[in-house]
Amino acid sequence: DAKTTQPNSMESNEEEPVHLPCNHSTISGTDYIHWYRQLPSQGPEYVIHGLTSNVNNRMASLAIAEDRKSSTLILHRATLRDAAVYYCILRASGTYKYIFGTGTRLKVLA
Amino acid sequence: DTAVSQTPKYLVTQMGNDKSIKCEQNLGHDTMYWYKQDSKKFLKIMFSYNNKELIINETVPNRFSPKSPDKAHLNLHINSLELGDSAVYFCASSQGPRGEQFFGPGTRLTVL
Repeated sequence: DAKTTQPNSMESNEEEPVHLPCNHSTISGTDYIHWYRQLPSQGPEYVIHGLTSNVNNRMASLAIAEDRKSSTLILHRATLRDAAVYYCILRASGTYKYIFGTGTRLKVLA
Repeated sequence: DTAVSQTPKYLVTQMGNDKSIKCEQNLGHDTMYWYKQDSKKFLKIMFSYNNKELIINETVPNRFSPKSPDKAHLNLHINSLELGDSAVYFCASSQGPRGEQFFGPGTRLTVL
């Protein structure tokens, strides 16, 4: 299973953009990149996913490097409610498993 | 309405006991999962059922037995509970095994 590497923690000021990086240098051509986040005392929730092209949705944007060895989750305006652990996950197209890493704990400062 | 619900929310029990955790989803999904999140916050897949058929069965002690009576329910039964089973257990569901997963609120199991 391909692995992901994320910083343990990051801080951001409220109302500012946040760029959460993820390295996945062993990614294969059919691995999808998924992002989930886990708010305190809750189950994880889906944020966004992509394969090759950049993706946008109401929650965030996903920027995928051209060589696909890294990606960045972008929260355009961080709010206090965005404080959570953000997980970058690779899922091979032929498998059903998510392999969660340690994630990045995002702290948002008022 | 809660999309994925689990009962109980908290479960405190003695070593050696047998306990069950129930999970129900009202999203009409055909795939359900059990995850374990230990004290270090690592989240690991345990089982997955698609249309009541087991499709993921990770290296989990056979004291853990999932049961899927229908597509909307996936229960987890644990025999002979051990201290190391203490964790938060999350149920999730998705439409298809590659779909976006929706997680329940978790069940915190404490084995004394």
